[in-house]
Amino acid sequence: DTGVSQNPRHKITKRGQNVTFRCDPISEHNRLYWYRQTLGQGPEFLTYFQNEAQLEKSRLLSDRFSAERPKGSFSTLEIQRTEQGDSAMYLCASSGDSPDAEAFFGQGTRLTVV
Amino acid sequence: QKEVEQNSGPLSVPEGAIASLNCTYSDRVSQSFFWYRQYSGKSPELIMSIYSNGDKEDGRFTAQLNKASQYVSLLIRDSQPSDSATYLCAVKRYGNNRLAFGKGNQVVVIP
Repeated sequence: DTGVSQNPRHKITKRGQNVTFRCDPISEHNRLYWYRQTLGQGPEFLTYFQNEAQLEKSRLLSDRFSAERPKGSFSTLEIQRTEQGDSAMYLCASSGDSPDAEAFFGQGTRLTVV
Repeated sequence: QKEVEQNSGPLSVPEGAIASLNCTYSDRVSQSFFWYRQYSGKSPELIMSIYSNGDKEDGRFTAQLNKASQYVSLLIRDSQPSDSATYLCAVKRYGNNRLAFGKGNQVVVIP
C-alpha cells in the first residue's frame, strides 16, 4: 500500500496524559500536512512541512502541540497534557511540490480524551 | 466571512437523479479547488480537482468553477446509494500551501 499511513487508528487517553501520533506520507511527496476534524466540521489546518522544515503553523496549534518531521519522511504530532477539547480526528495528508498538487489523506487517528 | 462556505443542509436525492452541491469562497486569489468525499467515520478521499473556469468531468462527477463569482460546484449524475457521504469543498490560495475546507454537505441517495 503506497498511500498515506497513520498510526494508531484510535487512541483513548485520560485527561492530562501525553499522546503521540505518527504519519507516513506517500514516499515521493515532500509536503506533509496535519489537520484536525471535529464532528460536523471540515478539517482544520494545523501545520505543514516541506521536507523536514515546518513552514506554517496555525493559531490552533497551541503550545501543547508539537509536530516534527526529522528526516523529511515520517512525521509525528504530539499533544501534551491532553484536554477533553482535544478529542477529534487527526488527519495527515501529503502532496507533491507543484502549486496545484493534490493532497491525499491518511486514514486518520481518532483521539478520545476521557 | 468564512473562507469556504457550504451552506446547504443535507441533500436527499433518489437513485439515478443528479445531486448538485455548491461552494463559495471568499479569497479572490484562490487558485486550486478540490472536492473530497468523506464516508462516516472515514477520512476524506479526493474525487475532483479543478483549476480553470468552466467544467471538468470525471465519470459521473462534474466540477464547475466560476472565479468571477467565487463559486465552485459539484454535480453527481446517476446518483448511487454508494454516493451517500459528506462532500467537502477545499480551496488553496495562490502562494499558500494549506487547504481551507468548508464544513461539508451530506448527500443521501435513496434507493
